[in-house]
Amino acid sequence: DGGITQSPKYLFRKEGQNVTLSCEQNLNHDAMYWYRQDPGQGLRLIYYSQIVNDFQKGDIAEGYSVSREKKESFPLTVTSAQKNPTAFYLCASSIYGVAGVTGELFFGEGSRLTVL
Amino acid sequence: GQNIDQPTEMTATEGAIVQINCTYQTSGFNGLFWYQQHAGEAPTFLSYNVLDGLEEKGRFSSFLSRSKGYSYLLLKELQMKDSASYLCAPMDSNYQLIWGAGTKLIIKP
Repeated sequence: DGGITQSPKYLFRKEGQNVTLSCEQNLNHDAMYWYRQDPGQGLRLIYYSQIVNDFQKGDIAEGYSVSREKKESFPLTVTSAQKNPTAFYLCASSIYGVAGVTGELFFGEGSRLTVL
Repeated sequence: GQNIDQPTEMTATEGAIVQINCTYQTSGFNGLFWYQQHAGEAPTFLSYNVLDGLEEKGRFSSFLSRSKGYSYLLLKELQMKDSASYLCAPMDSNYQLIWGAGTKLIIKP
């Protein structure tokens, strides 16, 4: 079955530690995205990538880093520089990667990060 | 600036009809998406409108008025499983989705 897999589903981290969230898709989609969701707020874009080996900052990129070495994979690292990292993180993909209609987003099941 | 406005919470009765409104202001416009999100889960796609008018898909319909910056999602024959948050997301001139905070819909028997 095609889809997006995020891991881990739940993650606890001590302050000062970096943590990497995994996102893998087998939909053959060009574009991939990372969003953060906090209670009472809309999804906020952290980073996105339209093609392999290229990615762009979203609205709240500070304290985060990504890589896109393979089409299928778009891991997100939450660094110790992120001041308030406790949140629900969602990875998504869409079929189109070049400038133009991005198309419908397909989401992974999310990773809930808690900083202790 | 860009802004999305939708009610925070709505309550409806099983079997009834409910309309969830969304008003938006974006830099350019390339269509509007509605997503459903059950608590603790990922959003799932419901509809996409790019032209004015009503799009019907089974029990769910979505309406768009570009001149008014307004959309609504209409849910008919409500079922308990429809209890979820409904997210309005217009797409701006850069083809980026701008997300509203969502409307939490509570269905009562």
